Amino acid sequence: EVQLVESGGGLVQPGGSLRLSCAASGFTFSYYSMNWVRQAPGRGLEWVSYISSSSRTTFYADSVKGRFTISRDNAKNSLYLQMNSLKDEDTAVYYCARDTFAGSGPNWFDPWGRGTQVTVSS
Amino acid sequence: DIQMTQSPSTLSASVGDRVTITCRASQSISTWLAWYQQRPGKAPKLLIYKASSLESGVPSRFSGSGSGTEFTLTISSLQPDDFATYYCQQYKSYSAFGQGTKVEIK
Repeated sequence: EVQLVESGGGLVQPGGSLRLSCAASGFTFSYYSMNWVRQAPGRGLEWVSYISSSSRTTFYADSVKGRFTISRDNAKNSLYLQMNSLKDEDTAVYYCARDTFAGSGPNWFDPWGRGTQVTVSS
Repeated sequence: DIQMTQSPSTLSASVGDRVTITCRASQSISTWLAWYQQRPGKAPKLLIYKASSLESGVPSRFSGSGSGTEFTLTISSLQPDDFATYYCQQYKSYSAFGQGTKVEIK
């Protein structure tokens, strides 16, 4: 069974840092690009970041560019999101989602993990 | 950046109704569009990709159409499991989602 499990969320003060992880299983992780998508409380979905299968290509939403860094470890079947200089508006559930292909930018996402909650508050 | 706008934001319907949700892109995205369903407290689920291709395992009452800047998701006969929020997503340039359409019980 294809499965994605996020972890690393929690409560952090504004200006702080957090590192999210996503553990993948049930498929050949190194064959697929991956994405992070977030959802603020009561709001819609917001694409955050993309990484190609080889890590050669990364993309970011303007709202997080320069503050967040996406990475992956294919040997550990894991995806990461390093979040620095966190702001109140970064409060959201963060989902990892498998992309359709190995590279060329985001496509449609399937499946998604269950998400991890990040709360930025003093 | 490509902006996605869905209408309506909320839709009240009854079991058995035919439901249509519209998604408009701020510029042409050809058929680089997907649709997702999200139930409360759950992760989004892929329904449609490439504007009109039905994901495996998704009931045939769901269908998608459109190209360029205007797209629709249609549920031919609404079932109890279908009361949820639906999102469109463009992947022509990076990625972006519409704001969502909540389908609620009338």
